[in-house]
Amino acid sequence: ETGVTQTPRHLVMGMTNKKSLKCEQHLGHNAMYWYKQSAKKPLELMFVYSLEERVENNSVPSRFSPECPNSSHLFLHLHTLQPEDSALYLCASSSQWGSTDTQYFGPGTRLTVL
Amino acid sequence: AQSVAQPEDQVNVAEGNPLTVKCTYSVSGNPYLFWYVQYPNRGLQFLLKYITGDNLVKGSYGFEAEFNKSQTSFHLKKPSALVSDSALYFCAVRDIAGTGQNFVFGPGTRLSVLP
Repeated sequence: ETGVTQTPRHLVMGMTNKKSLKCEQHLGHNAMYWYKQSAKKPLELMFVYSLEERVENNSVPSRFSPECPNSSHLFLHLHTLQPEDSALYLCASSSQWGSTDTQYFGPGTRLTVL
Repeated sequence: AQSVAQPEDQVNVAEGNPLTVKCTYSVSGNPYLFWYVQYPNRGLQFLLKYITGDNLVKGSYGFEAEFNKSQTSFHLKKPSALVSDSALYFCAVRDIAGTGQNFVFGPGTRLSVLP
């Protein structure tokens, strides 16, 4: 589980706040992912980065803004969120994007928007 | 388009009994299939995957899964359940031939192993 770390583990924010989620992978992988996990819903893929370039953006509202400064780090910048954005946000990485490689997940950030 | 179904929201089994968690999939070509487990307040942990070859795949913690192409299924099994196996289980698929480069996850099945 220490291969992919996420901070903070828990975050409570108001709708007018700006915050950022951080993900770091220590596996030497080239692809990183953000997923949203809401209660009673399947995992939703939000963003994919391959070699630090965004390759997928699955109709995610602009109040979520990803950043991948290098292949080991991935951020999700949050601003003017809505209560329905409360969820567990999971980061994952894999050796390559679009291959048979396993995705390895971090522990997640539990986000509550008041 | 690729899709995954896990027909049971909840599976209950007594400790020591065999367990099965069901998964069916739909893809246009040949599938890559994965099982993950999620414990409370944790991320998803990889259990096993099928890419090609032997239809019976063995994974972590004594779990195995059988790929059945004719039934488009990839059920997860364990011969003897432990209380510590209680968790949320996710099946995922990627279509080898399709244009989608990403995994599609099923909705999850909650497994409860009763002592």
